[in-house]
Amino acid sequence: DQQVKQNSPSLSVQEGRISILNCDYTNSMFDYFLWYKKYPAEGPTFLISISSIKDKNEDGRFTVFLNKSAKHLSLHIVPSQPGDSAVYFCAATFNFGNEKLTFGTGTRLTIIP
Amino acid sequence: GAGVSQSPRYKVAKRGQDVALRCDPISGHVSLFWYQQALGQGPEFLTYFQNEAQLDKSGLPSDRFFAERPEGSVSTLKIQRTQQEDSAVYLCASSSYRVENTIYFGEGSWLTVV
Repeated sequence: DQQVKQNSPSLSVQEGRISILNCDYTNSMFDYFLWYKKYPAEGPTFLISISSIKDKNEDGRFTVFLNKSAKHLSLHIVPSQPGDSAVYFCAATFNFGNEKLTFGTGTRLTIIP
Repeated sequence: GAGVSQSPRYKVAKRGQDVALRCDPISGHVSLFWYQQALGQGPEFLTYFQNEAQLDKSGLPSDRFFAERPEGSVSTLKIQRTQQEDSAVYLCASSSYRVENTIYFGEGSWLTVV
């Protein structure tokens, strides 16, 4: 049973435009969500996170939105740059301090110059 | 070191062979995790240490998998009698207890069982 789902395996976006990556979860106990970026042959790199007490968190070009009622979160990248081309993983955890993460299957983002 | 270091980066094992994967976490990080990532999938949790204590090993797929962290720093993941389905990237991650609850991953050990 996949508790964290990323239904789009791939996404292509023109450079300079907005990239929107989506993630859905089924476990309502999850209270902390993270996005990781992964380049080939490297480990995942932390990008941005959001606690369930918020509905938005922003860090530079990256914004994460959380809709708890819909059990949905999204990552917005504006403007998209060629270096953003990577696989993006959504992850969730619960019981603040218990840092075991449940990951989605990832979305491969390609930025077209 | 500056980041989480894993070795070997690449390992080819014959089926039935035992392997040991090493993780050197970020200095001072209390928590250490092992994840398994199969091709085309997201990382899946294997086990979690807080210092030298293994607090959660619920993700270990079988009793052929064993992890230890005897002195609360370096950890080793051992896989006995490897099978083809063990082929995956094994990721180690470490963290300290901080407000942002962030985990830092190593580059992974790529295991191929032939």
